[in-house]
Amino acid sequence: GQNIDQPTEMTATEGAIVQINCTYQTSGFNGLFWYQQHAGEAPTFLSYNVLDGLEEKGRFSSFLSRSKGYSYLLLKELQMKDSASYLCAVRKNTDKLIFGTGTRLQVFP
Amino acid sequence: EPEVTQTPSHQVTQMGQEVILRCVPISNHLYFYWYRQILGQKVEFLVSFYNNEISEKSEIFDDQFSVERPDGSNFTLKIRSTKLEDSAMYFCASSGGTSGGLGDTQYFGPGTRLTVL
Repeated sequence: GQNIDQPTEMTATEGAIVQINCTYQTSGFNGLFWYQQHAGEAPTFLSYNVLDGLEEKGRFSSFLSRSKGYSYLLLKELQMKDSASYLCAVRKNTDKLIFGTGTRLQVFP
Repeated sequence: EPEVTQTPSHQVTQMGQEVILRCVPISNHLYFYWYRQILGQKVEFLVSFYNNEISEKSEIFDDQFSVERPDGSNFTLKIRSTKLEDSAMYFCASSGGTSGGLGDTQYFGPGTRLTVL
Protein backbone atom coordinates (compact mmCIF):
# COMPACT_ATOMS: atom_id res chain seq x y z
CA GLY A 1 0.00 0.00 0.00
CA GLN A 2 0.96 3.64 0.10
CA ASN A 3 0.60 6.25 2.78
CA ILE A 4 1.56 9.92 2.90
CA ASP A 5 1.24 11.81 6.17
CA GLN A 6 1.54 15.51 6.86
CA PRO A 7 0.11 17.72 9.59
CA THR A 8 -3.37 19.02 8.94
CA GLU A 9 -2.83 22.59 10.06
CA MET A 10 -0.01 24.89 11.12
CA THR A 11 0.17 28.52 12.12
CA ALA A 12 3.07 30.94 12.02
CA THR A 13 3.88 34.62 12.24
CA GLU A 14 4.82 36.92 9.38
CA GLY A 15 8.63 37.01 8.98
CA ALA A 16 9.14 33.69 10.76
CA ILE A 17 10.36 30.32 9.48
CA VAL A 18 8.12 27.27 9.29
CA GLN A 19 8.90 23.63 8.51
CA ILE A 20 6.20 21.34 7.12
CA ASN A 21 6.99 17.65 7.44
CA CYS A 22 5.88 14.79 5.24
CA THR A 23 6.42 11.08 5.78
CA TYR A 24 5.61 8.47 3.20
CA GLN A 25 5.49 4.74 2.67
CA THR A 26 5.28 3.61 -0.91
CA SER A 27 6.73 1.28 -3.49
CA GLY A 28 8.09 2.48 -6.80
CA PHE A 29 9.29 5.84 -5.47
CA ASN A 30 10.50 8.22 -8.17
CA GLY A 31 10.71 11.58 -6.49
CA LEU A 32 8.83 13.88 -4.13
CA PHE A 33 7.10 17.12 -5.04
CA TRP A 34 5.78 20.00 -2.99
CA TYR A 35 2.91 22.06 -4.34
CA GLN A 36 1.18 25.14 -2.97
CA GLN A 37 -2.59 25.37 -3.28
CA HIS A 38 -4.70 28.41 -2.45
CA ALA A 39 -8.36 27.71 -1.74
CA GLY A 40 -10.29 26.99 -4.92
CA GLU A 41 -7.20 27.13 -7.10
CA ALA A 42 -4.86 24.68 -8.79
CA PRO A 43 -1.75 23.20 -7.16
CA THR A 44 1.31 25.28 -8.07
CA PHE A 45 4.72 23.61 -8.26
CA LEU A 46 7.18 24.63 -5.54
CA SER A 47 9.97 22.06 -5.43
CA TYR A 48 11.12 18.59 -6.37
CA ASN A 49 13.55 16.15 -4.75
CA VAL A 50 14.60 12.82 -6.19
CA LEU A 51 17.97 12.44 -4.43
CA ASP A 52 18.65 12.81 -0.73
CA GLY A 53 19.51 16.27 0.48
CA LEU A 54 18.38 19.85 0.42
CA GLU A 55 17.09 21.79 -2.58
CA GLU A 56 16.95 25.54 -2.12
CA LYS A 57 14.84 27.88 -4.19
CA GLY A 58 14.61 31.43 -2.88
CA ARG A 59 12.53 31.52 0.32
CA PHE A 60 11.60 27.86 -0.09
CA SER A 61 13.76 24.80 0.56
CA SER A 62 12.89 21.12 0.48
CA PHE A 63 14.70 18.17 2.00
CA LEU A 64 14.46 14.47 1.27
CA SER A 65 15.67 11.35 3.05
CA ARG A 66 14.70 8.31 1.03
CA SER A 67 15.91 5.83 3.64
CA LYS A 68 13.65 7.42 6.25
CA GLY A 69 10.72 8.10 3.91
CA TYR A 70 10.79 11.70 5.05
CA SER A 71 10.69 15.13 3.48
CA TYR A 72 10.17 18.65 4.71
CA LEU A 73 9.38 22.00 3.15
CA LEU A 74 11.00 25.00 4.78
CA LEU A 75 9.50 28.43 4.25
CA LYS A 76 11.56 31.44 5.34
CA GLU A 77 10.64 35.09 5.82
CA LEU A 78 6.97 34.21 5.84
CA GLN A 79 4.57 36.59 4.14
CA MET A 80 0.80 36.83 4.48
CA LYS A 81 0.43 35.54 0.92
CA ASP A 82 2.06 32.27 2.00
CA SER A 83 -1.19 31.36 3.76
CA ALA A 84 -2.26 28.34 1.71
CA SER A 85 -2.29 24.54 1.71
CA TYR A 86 1.00 22.80 1.04
CA LEU A 87 0.73 19.44 -0.66
CA CYS A 88 3.34 16.71 -0.43
CA ALA A 89 3.17 14.38 -3.45
CA VAL A 90 5.12 11.23 -4.21
CA ARG A 91 5.78 10.43 -7.83
CA LYS A 92 5.57 6.75 -8.60
CA ASN A 93 7.82 5.11 -11.16
CA THR A 94 4.80 5.09 -13.45
CA ASP A 95 4.86 8.89 -13.25
CA LYS A 96 1.52 9.42 -11.47
CA LEU A 97 1.48 11.63 -8.38
CA ILE A 98 0.08 10.41 -5.07
CA PHE A 99 -0.86 13.35 -2.87
CA GLY A 100 -1.04 13.73 0.86
CA THR A 101 -4.01 15.48 2.42
CA GLY A 102 -2.14 18.78 2.56
CA THR A 103 -1.10 21.09 5.39
CA ARG A 104 -3.10 24.28 5.77
CA LEU A 105 -0.73 27.06 6.82
CA GLN A 106 -2.07 30.27 8.31
CA VAL A 107 0.31 33.20 8.58
CA PHE A 108 -0.62 35.89 11.09
CA PRO A 109 0.69 39.45 11.23
CA GLU B 1 5.07 31.73 -19.33
CA PRO B 2 3.27 28.73 -20.89
CA GLU B 3 0.40 27.36 -18.86
CA VAL B 4 -2.24 24.67 -18.91
CA THR B 5 -5.74 26.00 -19.60
CA GLN B 6 -9.09 24.37 -18.87
CA THR B 7 -12.67 25.05 -19.89
CA PRO B 8 -15.23 25.54 -18.57
CA SER B 9 -14.22 26.88 -15.16
CA HIS B 10 -17.52 25.69 -13.71
CA GLN B 11 -19.95 23.10 -15.08
CA VAL B 12 -23.34 22.36 -13.57
CA THR B 13 -25.16 19.27 -14.81
CA GLN B 14 -28.03 17.03 -13.91
CA MET B 15 -27.41 13.52 -12.64
CA GLY B 16 -27.27 11.07 -15.54
CA GLN B 17 -26.06 13.61 -18.07
CA GLU B 18 -22.76 13.46 -19.92
CA VAL B 19 -20.10 16.14 -19.54
CA ILE B 20 -16.90 16.85 -21.41
CA LEU B 21 -14.13 18.73 -19.65
CA ARG B 22 -11.54 20.32 -21.87
CA CYS B 23 -7.88 21.01 -21.39
CA VAL B 24 -5.15 22.57 -23.48
CA PRO B 25 -1.81 21.29 -22.15
CA ILE B 26 1.45 23.21 -22.46
CA SER B 27 2.28 23.08 -26.15
CA ASN B 28 5.49 21.03 -26.20
CA HIS B 29 4.46 18.62 -23.45
CA LEU B 30 3.90 14.97 -24.24
CA TYR B 31 2.41 13.53 -21.03
CA PHE B 32 -1.09 14.41 -19.89
CA TYR B 33 -3.01 13.69 -16.73
CA TRP B 34 -6.37 14.16 -15.07
CA TYR B 35 -6.74 14.46 -11.31
CA ARG B 36 -9.77 15.28 -9.21
CA GLN B 37 -10.26 16.85 -5.80
CA ILE B 38 -13.51 16.43 -3.93
CA LEU B 39 -14.18 19.45 -1.71
CA GLY B 40 -12.08 19.26 1.44
CA GLN B 41 -10.26 16.12 0.34
CA LYS B 42 -6.92 15.33 -1.25
CA VAL B 43 -6.01 15.46 -4.92
CA GLU B 44 -6.53 12.02 -6.51
CA PHE B 45 -4.98 10.63 -9.68
CA LEU B 46 -7.44 9.55 -12.37
CA VAL B 47 -5.52 8.79 -15.56
CA SER B 48 -2.31 9.41 -17.46
CA PHE B 49 -2.03 9.59 -21.25
CA TYR B 50 0.93 9.40 -23.59
CA ASN B 51 1.35 8.79 -27.29
CA ASN B 52 -2.39 8.74 -27.85
CA GLU B 53 -3.16 6.05 -25.35
CA ILE B 54 -3.82 5.62 -21.66
CA SER B 55 -0.63 4.86 -19.72
CA GLU B 56 -2.25 4.21 -16.38
CA LYS B 57 -5.64 4.64 -14.76
CA SER B 58 -6.82 4.51 -11.18
CA GLU B 59 -9.67 2.41 -9.85
CA ILE B 60 -11.78 5.58 -9.87
CA PHE B 61 -11.43 5.73 -13.67
CA ASP B 62 -14.02 3.11 -14.57
CA ASP B 63 -16.09 2.67 -17.73
CA GLN B 64 -17.94 5.88 -16.93
CA PHE B 65 -14.82 7.86 -17.83
CA SER B 66 -12.90 8.27 -21.06
CA VAL B 67 -10.13 10.52 -22.35
CA GLU B 68 -9.27 11.70 -25.81
CA ARG B 69 -6.80 13.88 -27.60
CA PRO B 70 -8.96 14.84 -30.58
CA ASP B 71 -6.38 17.13 -32.17
CA GLY B 72 -2.89 18.44 -31.58
CA SER B 73 -3.82 20.76 -28.76
CA ASN B 74 -6.85 19.56 -26.79
CA PHE B 75 -7.11 16.83 -24.17
CA THR B 76 -10.59 15.95 -22.95
CA LEU B 77 -12.18 14.02 -20.10
CA LYS B 78 -15.66 12.66 -20.74
CA ILE B 79 -17.85 11.55 -17.88
CA ARG B 80 -20.91 9.58 -18.98
CA SER B 81 -24.04 9.35 -16.86
CA THR B 82 -22.78 11.62 -14.09
CA LYS B 83 -23.48 10.78 -10.47
CA LEU B 84 -23.78 13.04 -7.43
CA GLU B 85 -20.43 11.76 -6.15
CA ASP B 86 -18.70 12.97 -9.33
CA SER B 87 -19.01 16.53 -8.01
CA ALA B 88 -15.43 17.71 -7.59
CA MET B 89 -12.75 19.95 -9.01
CA TYR B 90 -11.10 18.27 -12.00
CA PHE B 91 -7.52 19.26 -12.76
CA CYS B 92 -5.65 18.62 -15.98
CA ALA B 93 -1.85 18.47 -15.83
CA SER B 94 0.92 18.08 -18.35
CA SER B 95 4.62 17.31 -18.29
CA GLY B 96 7.40 16.30 -20.58
CA GLY B 97 8.84 19.39 -22.20
CA THR B 98 11.12 19.01 -25.14
CA SER B 99 13.06 16.18 -23.54
CA GLY B 100 9.88 14.21 -23.47
CA GLY B 101 10.95 11.90 -20.71
CA LEU B 102 9.55 10.76 -17.43
CA GLY B 103 10.79 12.76 -14.53
CA ASP B 104 9.52 16.17 -15.52
CA THR B 105 7.36 18.37 -13.34
CA GLN B 106 3.60 18.15 -13.76
CA TYR B 107 2.01 21.57 -14.22
CA PHE B 108 -1.64 21.89 -13.33
CA GLY B 109 -4.42 23.81 -15.01
CA PRO B 110 -6.83 26.03 -13.05
CA GLY B 111 -9.43 23.26 -12.85
CA THR B 112 -13.07 22.76 -13.74
CA ARG B 113 -15.51 22.70 -10.86
CA LEU B 114 -18.14 20.08 -11.70
CA THR B 115 -21.41 20.22 -9.79
CA VAL B 116 -23.84 17.34 -10.32
CA LEU B 117 -27.40 18.04 -9.15
